[in-house]
Amino acid sequence: GQQLNQSPQSMFIQEGEDVSMNCTSSSIFNTWLWYKQDPGEGPVLLIALYKAGELTSNGRLTAQFGITRKDSFLNISASIPSDVGIYFCAGRETNSGYALNFGKGTSLLVTP
Amino acid sequence: GAGVSQSPSNKVTEKGKDVELRCDPISGHTALYWYRQSLGQGLEFLIYFQGNSAPDKSGLPSDRFSAERTGGSVSTLTIQRTQQEDSAVYLCASSLAGGGHQGTQYFGPGTRLLVL
Repeated sequence: GQQLNQSPQSMFIQEGEDVSMNCTSSSIFNTWLWYKQDPGEGPVLLIALYKAGELTSNGRLTAQFGITRKDSFLNISASIPSDVGIYFCAGRETNSGYALNFGKGTSLLVTP
Repeated sequence: GAGVSQSPSNKVTEKGKDVELRCDPISGHTALYWYRQSLGQGLEFLIYFQGNSAPDKSGLPSDRFSAERTGGSVSTLTIQRTQQEDSAVYLCASSLAGGGHQGTQYFGPGTRLLVL
């Protein structure tokens, strides 16, 4: 599978700031997922998107499935220290069926 | 309810030895996946099991890697004659089915493998 292009690679922000990260692919996807991984843990699903244009929120998190079906973004509003971690985008190609392609992750650091 | 569990959580082995990593998926999930995560990288797909179908082994990096899923539940990933480049976190995930909404994958905590 392809490696997704995720940016930024890392972010260092102050508590209370908003955060935005995005992911692009070279092919059309039918699913976009955003995961968060804490040190020593497996990725935890944050938001799942299944339709082009879909905008979904989970508390302070909002993610969108791009209209072109080749991109997605994740926004975190009013960041707090426990938002620290690595955020991964993942997607499934239209003709793939099951295997997920992952970005390299965005490492988020939040200072109080 | 119980999530995906993996064992051992950490494994240190010597180059050339064989290792077995175990995954216990969420009860009722028919699909099971293995991924590898190297330091600072995203997840690399290894193998996929769906029900009684033949597994998709297209992501296995070499013939030293193999996996089984017995009784449609527990899976074992085996790495023979380990090499230092095999050092990574091995993550298992499961989903209700293979695609669409039911294909949403839930991950275990991973096994951290270090080959000396």
